[in-house]
Amino acid sequence: DQQVKQNSPSLSVQEGRISILNCDYTNSMFDYFLWYKKYPAEGPTFLISISSIKDKNEDGRFTVFLNKSAKHLSLHIVPSQPGDSAVYFCAATRFSGGGADGLTFGKGTHLIIQP
Amino acid sequence: DTGVSQNPRHKITKRGQNVTFRCDPISEHNRLYWYRQTLGQGPEFLTYFQNEAQLEKSRLLSDRFSAERPKGSFSTLEIQRTEQGDSAMYLCASSSLAGVATQYFGPGTRLTVL
Repeated sequence: DQQVKQNSPSLSVQEGRISILNCDYTNSMFDYFLWYKKYPAEGPTFLISISSIKDKNEDGRFTVFLNKSAKHLSLHIVPSQPGDSAVYFCAATRFSGGGADGLTFGKGTHLIIQP
Repeated sequence: DTGVSQNPRHKITKRGQNVTFRCDPISEHNRLYWYRQTLGQGPEFLTYFQNEAQLEKSRLLSDRFSAERPKGSFSTLEIQRTEQGDSAMYLCASSSLAGVATQYFGPGTRLTVL
């Protein structure tokens, strides 16, 4: 039973264009969401996060949108750069303010930026 | 600024042997998490500590697995009587309690059970 789903195993985008990665979740208890980027043989690197009290968070080229009613979030990268080619993981957790539970991850989306 | 470190980076062992991995979190991070990642999957949560207390264990953490964080700093994950199905990347992450949920990951330990 997958509580966090990334339905696109891979995505190819031209350099300079917008990359949009999608994520759906089923557990209503999740109230904090994170995106991580991963290169082969390395640990995940934190990119950006969003609390359920917001619907948008921006950090430079990265923007995360949250639609709580649809239980859907998306990561926008604009403009896409060759160094963005990696596997992107969506993760969710319950955050009590005193700390977060373990993260539940999706299976990842392999983003390929074409020159 | 030192990040999360894990040792060893790679471990090859024979089925039935015991292995132990170490994780050193970011200094002053109270929470420490262990995850396992297999090919084509996202990381799966195993267990986490707040200081030296183990607060949660996933059902994935069978009786052959044990984790400790004796002084609230580094942590060890031991797997007894390894099986081929234990082959995976074992990831450690840490976070502070300062009002954020972000977990910072180490490079992982790649375990291969022959």
